[in-house]
Amino acid sequence: KQEVTQIPAALSVPEGENLVLNCSFTDSAIYNLQWFRQDPGKGLTSLLLIQSSQREQTSGRLNASLDKSSGRSTLYIAASQPGDSATYLCASHSGAGSYQLTFGKGTKLSVIP
Amino acid sequence: DTGVSQDPRHKITKRGQNVTFRCDPISEHNRLYWYRQTLGQGPEFLTYFQNEAQLEKSRLLSDRFSAERPKGSFSTLEIQRTEQGDSAMYLCASLTSGRGNEQFFGPGTRLTVL
Repeated sequence: KQEVTQIPAALSVPEGENLVLNCSFTDSAIYNLQWFRQDPGKGLTSLLLIQSSQREQTSGRLNASLDKSSGRSTLYIAASQPGDSATYLCASHSGAGSYQLTFGKGTKLSVIP
Repeated sequence: DTGVSQDPRHKITKRGQNVTFRCDPISEHNRLYWYRQTLGQGPEFLTYFQNEAQLEKSRLLSDRFSAERPKGSFSTLEIQRTEQGDSAMYLCASLTSGRGNEQFFGPGTRLTVL
C-alpha cells in the first residue's frame, strides 16, 4: 500500500525567501505525482503534475522534481510571497486502473511579510 | 475555478439524518472521484466512476454511503443515518485520459454533524 509523507508539517519563512517542500513515497512504481495547493476551507488547486517518465516540471516560480528511485519529490518555490501562504499537498497516482490519488498530510506554509 | 462544481458548499445536519451531495464534473471528463478530508489530514479516496459505472470503492465507504453517477454526468453521494464521525470535507474530482491523468478538484462540501 502506497504511503506518502510530507515533511515538515508546517513552515514559516520571511517574504522573498526561496524554499523547498518535501514529499516521500514508499512505492516507487508510481504512475505520476501531483502537487496541490489548498487554502483554508477550500478545495484543491492543481499546481504541477509530473509523469513517471519525467524528472521535473516548472510553472512560474514553482518547480517540482521527481526521483522515483529514492521515492522523493520536492516542490521549490522561488521568491516567496505572502500570497503563497497555504497548505501544499502532494499525491501519487497508482496508475493501476483507477488512478486514485494517495495524499500526504500536507505542509502548511506561512510567508511572513 | 477548476470547472468542477459541488453543491451544497456547507451542510449542517443532526445525527441520524440523511444527506446528499452533488458533484458536476468538467463536461468532457469521463472519470469522477470522491474523497473525504478531515481536519489536518490529506484527502482519502472513497470511490470512483468511469462514465456511469462505479468501478472501485474504498473500505472507508461503509454501507451507509452510496454514490451514483446516472448517465455518466453529475454524481451524488448520499450518507444515511449520519454520525458525528462523518463530519468532514467531501471533495469531488474529475479527469479525462491524457494530460497525465491530472485530477481537477471541486470546492468541496463541508459537512458538520451535530
